[in-house]
Amino acid sequence: EMQLVESGGGLVQPGESLRLSCAAPGFTFTGFWVAWVRQAPGKGLEWVGNIAEDGSETYSLASVRGRFSISRDNARNSVYLQMNSLRPEDTAMYYCVRDFGYNRFDFWGQGQLVTVPS
Amino acid sequence: QSALTQPASVSGSPGQSITISCTGTGSNIGRYNYVSWYQQHPGKAPKLIIYEVTNRPSGVSNRFSGSKSGNTASLTISGLQADDEADYYCATFTASATLEDIFGGGTKLTVL
Repeated sequence: EMQLVESGGGLVQPGESLRLSCAAPGFTFTGFWVAWVRQAPGKGLEWVGNIAEDGSETYSLASVRGRFSISRDNARNSVYLQMNSLRPEDTAMYYCVRDFGYNRFDFWGQGQLVTVPS
Repeated sequence: QSALTQPASVSGSPGQSITISCTGTGSNIGRYNYVSWYQQHPGKAPKLIIYEVTNRPSGVSNRFSGSKSGNTASLTISGLQADDEADYYCATFTASATLEDIFGGGTKLTVL
C-alpha cells in the first residue's frame, strides 16, 4: 500500500516562508495528481491545492493563491508545497494526499504541523 | 464557513443506523456525481470511505453507504460499532470560479 511521507513543517514567524515536501518511498508519483489538504487545530479539513501528473496544471484555494505554490519533481518522486508570506491563519496540519481525481483522496500522509504565531 | 453544510454532531447506539447529510448547491453537489466521504479518528489522518457518491474503496465495510438527491448527499452507517465513533467529512468538486475541491465542516459521530 502506498505511503506518503511529508517533511519540512515547523514554527515560523508571520511573513516568513516554509517548504513542505512529500515523498512516496517505494512507489512512484508519476501518473497521479497530488493534493495538499490542511486542518487547523480543532477545525475541519480544507483543500489547499493540487498538481497534475506532469506538473502542467495546478489549482489552489483562493485564500492562498499568490502566496502558496505547488510543484513536483518526478525524477525525485517528490511533490512540494512552497508557502510564502505565512499568516497565523495558515497554522494547521498539512497533509499530502494522492488525488485520484474529483476529491477521491485515497492515500494520505501522516501530516506536517505548520505553526505561525500571532 | 464551508460551502457544504453538515450537522455538527449525530449519535446512535450500537447496532443502529445513522445518516449524515451534506448540503451544497446546484454548482457543486447538485451538478456533479463527485461526492466523497472521509472518516477521521482523533489524531489520525482521514480515510476515504466513499467516492463518486456511492462507491466504496476496497477494504471499506459495506456498512457504509452513500447516496445523493438534488443538492444533498448522505452517508449512512448501518450496524453502528464503537469504532465508528469519529469525525466524518463530505467533499465535492466545484467549477464555479475555478476548479476546486471543497469539504464540509465535519460531523462528530458519537456511539452511545
